[in-house]
Amino acid sequence: ETGVTQSPTHLIKTRGQQVTLRCSSQSGHNTVSWYQQALGQGPQFIFQYYREEENGRGNFPPRFSGLQFPNYSSELNVNALELDDSALYLCASSLQGAFYNSPLHFGNGTRLTVT
Amino acid sequence: GENVEQHPSTLSVQEGDSAVIKCTYSDSASNYFPWYKQELGKRPQLIIDIRSNVGEKKDQRIAVTLNKTAKHFSLHITETQPEDSAVYFCAASGVRGAGNMLTFGGGTRLMVKP
Repeated sequence: ETGVTQSPTHLIKTRGQQVTLRCSSQSGHNTVSWYQQALGQGPQFIFQYYREEENGRGNFPPRFSGLQFPNYSSELNVNALELDDSALYLCASSLQGAFYNSPLHFGNGTRLTVT
Repeated sequence: GENVEQHPSTLSVQEGDSAVIKCTYSDSASNYFPWYKQELGKRPQLIIDIRSNVGEKKDQRIAVTLNKTAKHFSLHITETQPEDSAVYFCAASGVRGAGNMLTFGGGTRLMVKP
C-alpha cells in the first residue's frame, strides 16, 4: 500500500509569487484534503476535493485554489503569496463512501517559506 | 463553524505515569473525533478515533472517552514511555456525508521523562 506523498518537501518563494504544491493520494483513496499548519499550531482545513470537485472549504481566500485529477492526485495553488502563508502544507487522503468516510492519512507535508 | 479547544498545551510526566489530554468542541452535530500524534518534523499520524455512537474506545495503552452531552472528549495514555513524547492533536468533524473535514485543537506537547 502506497502512502500519501507530497512534493516538493521544501520551497522558498518571494512575496507576490505563485506556488503549486502536489500530492498523490494513498492507493484506494478517492478524496484529498489540504491543511495549513503554522508553526506551533494545529492544522487548519483549506479545502477538500472529491470526484475532481471542491466539496468543502475552510476560511481561506480565493487565492488558495486546487485541483484533483482522475487518478485522485491533487494540486494546491497559492497566488500572490504573503509572508503569513509561510507554513507546513499537509495533504491528507481518505476514502469517501455513501455511508462511511475512512480516517484521514497525512503526507509529510511541504514546508513553504515566503520571504 | 466548529471550534475545538485543547488542554493542556504542555504536559510533562514521568515514565510509567498516565497522561490525560482534554478537548471540548462547540458543534453538537460533530460525530467523529480522531487523535493524531505528530513527532518533530513528521506527519500527523492517527493513533485512535471515536465516533459519536460510542462512549469509550481502547487500544492497548491508549483510550479515548467521549461525553456528547458536555461536548468534550479525552485521550488517556497509560504506562507512558519516552517514545510517547510528541505533540498530540485532537480534532472534530461535524460534516455529514461529505468526508472528514477536521477542525483541530491547538495541540498538546507531551514530554515523558525517563
